Amino acid sequence: AQSVTQLGSHVSVSEGALVLLRCNYSSSVPPYLFWYVQYPNQGLQLLLKYTSAATLVKGINGFEAEFKKSETSFHLTKPSAHMSDAAEYFCAVSDRGRRALTFGSGTRLQVQP
Amino acid sequence: KAGVTQTPRYLIKTRGQQVTLSCSPISGHRSVSWYQQTPGQGLQFLFEYFSETQRNKGNFPGRFSGRQFSNSRSEMNVSTLELGDSALYLCASSSVDRGRDEQFFGPGTRLTVL
Repeated sequence: AQSVTQLGSHVSVSEGALVLLRCNYSSSVPPYLFWYVQYPNQGLQLLLKYTSAATLVKGINGFEAEFKKSETSFHLTKPSAHMSDAAEYFCAVSDRGRRALTFGSGTRLQVQP
Repeated sequence: KAGVTQTPRYLIKTRGQQVTLSCSPISGHRSVSWYQQTPGQGLQFLFEYFSETQRNKGNFPGRFSGRQFSNSRSEMNVSTLELGDSALYLCASSSVDRGRDEQFFGPGTRLTVL
């Protein structure tokens, strides 16, 4: 069975600082990996996805993530945090060809002025 | 293109009642999935429908059911509501074209069971 672990339920950074949100997955076969963002009282918005092309994936709003098979990781980064980045972030995994997503528990990002 | 729409946005029900939630996918999307989001269990997959057929199902009791219509709109039903069914129910639609099958989520329906 697939699983996703997000280390750190809350992360706080200063505006302009590096954002690093951690995600590790467990899957018996190479999966598809996703990062979603959720703003209060809204649904989920896709930031980026990995589907076995380039291991470094660039997404929207300046975010990127690197797939590291040896570490079973897919950490999300952004060089410089903005106040508007404050939200909850979810890492998710799915088997290839299936649209059922398994989500991590989420990381709430706080950006301090 | 209009996004995924879900109705109603908010619902209050009492234990034992049943509820039906509706989801209209993005135009051209034929796959619709449903997820439950709660503070305790997080985001959990309920089921996926494609071409009016349930393709995948999560680990939820039979009280949770769904269906999809020929226009790809989907409904989910929860019967005999329990307090623990209080949650945000999210619908997601996707194309089934290879390489373009990421899921786009609606704003959700917040169900409160009293």
